[in-house]
Amino acid sequence: DVKVTQSSRYLVKRTGEKVFLECVQDMDHENMFWYRQDPGLGLRLIYFSYDVKMKEKGDIPEGYSVSREKKERFSLILESASTNQTSMYLCASSPIGQDEKLFFGSGTQLSVL
Amino acid sequence: AQTVTQSQPEMSVQEAETVTLSCTYDTSESDYYLFWYKQPPSRQMILVIRQEAYKQQNATENRFSVNFQKAAKSFSLKISDSQLGDAAMYFCAYRAQGGSEKLVFGKGTKLTVNP
Repeated sequence: DVKVTQSSRYLVKRTGEKVFLECVQDMDHENMFWYRQDPGLGLRLIYFSYDVKMKEKGDIPEGYSVSREKKERFSLILESASTNQTSMYLCASSPIGQDEKLFFGSGTQLSVL
Repeated sequence: AQTVTQSQPEMSVQEAETVTLSCTYDTSESDYYLFWYKQPPSRQMILVIRQEAYKQQNATENRFSVNFQKAAKSFSLKISDSQLGDAAMYFCAYRAQGGSEKLVFGKGTKLTVNP
């Protein structure tokens, strides 16, 4: 079974902290995605990557950066966390050209106090 | 930019009955893909059904089927013989063919199944 693992299910941070959200997939997928999910807003794409060291901005990249040094790992970084970044963060991965095999992690609920 | 609209924030259905969730989208592309995802309380997103725009035949997966109206840019999900386990958030999503493989999601519909 494909597994997309997010390192934390719940995370509480303080305003101004640097926050790392980690995502690891074990199926050699080229594509990896970070989405943010908020009630009433659905899922919005923050960043995605289609290869190691490659990244593209999604719809809401402001306040975030990403890192993909290895194919299996895609990290989302909040350089200076703010309260409006309190949200559910979902990571996903898929093989190129096979979006029916898009798999999601179980999400990280981040609270910034 | 492509947009996906789910006009029903919440829906409810009686167990064993049929319910239809609405989705419309806006795109200037002729080839694209449409999806319905289910997110139960466990938060795990699960692909329910996928439709390729160039296929006229509506996709079906067991009790789940879609009504794809390309000209109207409508993509509704019908759940037949609803079960308690169908209770979840349902998201409609769109992906353009070619280019990046990112999905654009609607805001979701919360489905409650009443026993």
